[in-house]
Amino acid sequence: GIQVEQSPPDLILQEGANSTLRCNFSDSVNNLQWFHQNPWGQLINLFYIPSGTKQNGRLSATTVATERYSLLYISSSQTTDSGVYFCAVEGQAGTALIFGKGTTLSVSS
Amino acid sequence: SAVISQKPSRDICQRGTSLTIQCQVDSQVTMMFWYRQQPGQSLTLIATANQGSEATYESGFVIDKFPISRPNLTFSTLTVSNMSPEDSSIYLCSVVLGQQYFGPGTRLTVT
Repeated sequence: GIQVEQSPPDLILQEGANSTLRCNFSDSVNNLQWFHQNPWGQLINLFYIPSGTKQNGRLSATTVATERYSLLYISSSQTTDSGVYFCAVEGQAGTALIFGKGTTLSVSS
Repeated sequence: SAVISQKPSRDICQRGTSLTIQCQVDSQVTMMFWYRQQPGQSLTLIATANQGSEATYESGFVIDKFPISRPNLTFSTLTVSNMSPEDSSIYLCSVVLGQQYFGPGTRLTVT
């Protein structure tokens, strides 16, 4: 099956810093999504991005499908950005997502 | 988009008992997925539930332990049977409507 690798596994930032999270996947995919899991366990959809670039406020994401990777950029980080960021891919349309192990982000004031 | 609710949001259960988790979606969907997230881990797919057919289970998960019902296109239940402390996890349901959407999860603690 498709393998999803995320890096770094852990990231510690001061408030206001920028960061880049990476997701590599081992095969072509139909879909790629980024999620933020808050400290209460809720998964929040950040981006649906099988290819191209999208931006939403301080967050943006780029997926280069031909090279099998995606990047999540967080600018001017805030303490509320803390949590776990997951990358997940869908191999075939309508199938379940395969999750990476996540990047745990801690932002301190 | 999809709005998904789960009940209960959390529970503490005794070992050897069973808990049924409900998942309700505000749209009709063909497939629903059930995931487990053990403490400090990523999400793992338990099974895919299609309306009108038996659920399809992933390797390592069996119907006797995790029976699933899918009575209509907006509802599903997952039962965690004969629980042990190793079943302490967050259980999430999800649906596909273009992209995939997740419910808020059920946090289960087994003592």
